[in-house]
Amino acid sequence: NAGVMQNPRHLVRRRGQEARLRCSPMKGHSHVYWYRQLPEEGLKFMVYLQKENIIDESGMPKERFSAEFPKEGPSILRIQQVVRGDSAAYFCASSRPDRNTEAFFGQGTRLTVV
Amino acid sequence: DQQVKQNSPSLSVQEGRISILNCDYTNSMFDYFLWYKKYPAEGPTFLISISSIKDKNEDGRFTVFLNKSAKHLSLHIVPSQPGDSAVYFCAANADFFYGGSQGNLIFGKGTKLSVKP
Repeated sequence: NAGVMQNPRHLVRRRGQEARLRCSPMKGHSHVYWYRQLPEEGLKFMVYLQKENIIDESGMPKERFSAEFPKEGPSILRIQQVVRGDSAAYFCASSRPDRNTEAFFGQGTRLTVV
Repeated sequence: DQQVKQNSPSLSVQEGRISILNCDYTNSMFDYFLWYKKYPAEGPTFLISISSIKDKNEDGRFTVFLNKSAKHLSLHIVPSQPGDSAVYFCAANADFFYGGSQGNLIFGKGTKLSVKP
């Protein structure tokens, strides 16, 4: 899973600031998924993207959260006006178009809101 | 409402013995199941999977069993090794055979396995 690159690994933000989390999928992977893990919880699906398209955002909070996967560059998960409850580990996974169920995860970004 | 449940938060096993991790699900539409292993400060690593048309899948020391009528699956690790100590997540997907949003995995809360030398 070392092929999926997430940065930063750790991000500290004050309440009200914006957080930008980046994910570069593995080479050859055009599908990207974002998951959030709260303390003592499993991973919760947030959003599924293909290049320039949001396929499923059923797990995304309705406000303050957005995601994109542009034609060029990494996928970005953006959280505006962060609150303490946004503190979590955010994981990105990627997969090949023909092997969607074999998603490879990055090492995650641990967001701490102070 | 949790659709995938791992009722044992932790499990301790002696090296060389069998580890059995359990997972229950409630959604009968789930048709593909995966196990992931996670070390601290790392992302989950895919371990093994099974589709609903099978009841067993084996890969080396790892075997996953699926009991659809009971909506239950289990992961067996034989023999257990200290390097297997990690958190194991069970995950399920509902659209594998129907071409839906196949990336939407539903995860359990995980079971922390400790294998003692």
